Amino acid sequence: GQQLNQSPQSMFIQEGEDVSMNCTSSSIFNTWLWYKQDPGEGPVLLIALYKAGELTSNGRLTAQFGITRKDSFLNISASIPSDVGIYFCAGNDLEYGNKLVFGAGTILRVKS
Amino acid sequence: ETGVTQTPRHLVMGMTNKKSLKCEQHLGHNAMYWYKQSAKKPLELMFVYNFKEQTENNSVPSRFSPECPNSSHLFLHLHTLQPEDSALYLCASSQARGQGNTEAFFGQGTRLTVV
Repeated sequence: GQQLNQSPQSMFIQEGEDVSMNCTSSSIFNTWLWYKQDPGEGPVLLIALYKAGELTSNGRLTAQFGITRKDSFLNISASIPSDVGIYFCAGNDLEYGNKLVFGAGTILRVKS
Repeated sequence: ETGVTQTPRHLVMGMTNKKSLKCEQHLGHNAMYWYKQSAKKPLELMFVYNFKEQTENNSVPSRFSPECPNSSHLFLHLHTLQPEDSALYLCASSQARGQGNTEAFFGQGTRLTVV
């Protein structure tokens, strides 16, 4: 089935640094969603984007819905140890029956 | 009370056992999903139910049998599983609308180990 290309696959960052990750797709999306998953838990929704060009913040998190509707990025500012986890992008794919598809995830590890 | 509740949180079963996973959502959504998450693999969609009707079976082996008695409850019946079926099984719900589904909310998952 359709999958999103999410990058990077993993990253180590120094506490206090800013983080950026992104997702791209070959098809147009109606929505872009960003989730975080802690070990042994289910993914938790961080930010939902509904319009092309939309820029939304949630605390230290900022995400944007790309103008082409085929990409999105998530930024985390001033990272802290509890930011560790797996971040997933997801979206409703117009060309895939509007189904919700997920990226493979970005594993974030913070050096304290 | 969490929006999507899964039980049990952990399950160990033999290959000849029969067990069921349960999911309940308190969000008033009309779509529910089962996902499988194996180590170092992306989330794999297994089944989708919209308005209690199964709308997708993503080539899942018949040893996994879903049941959706109403829009708030979803079950996954398991029988004669294989060790490679060990994974985190996640339930999610969303609101199905004309332009696609809204954001999905996940349960905490059931960590299944097949021995």
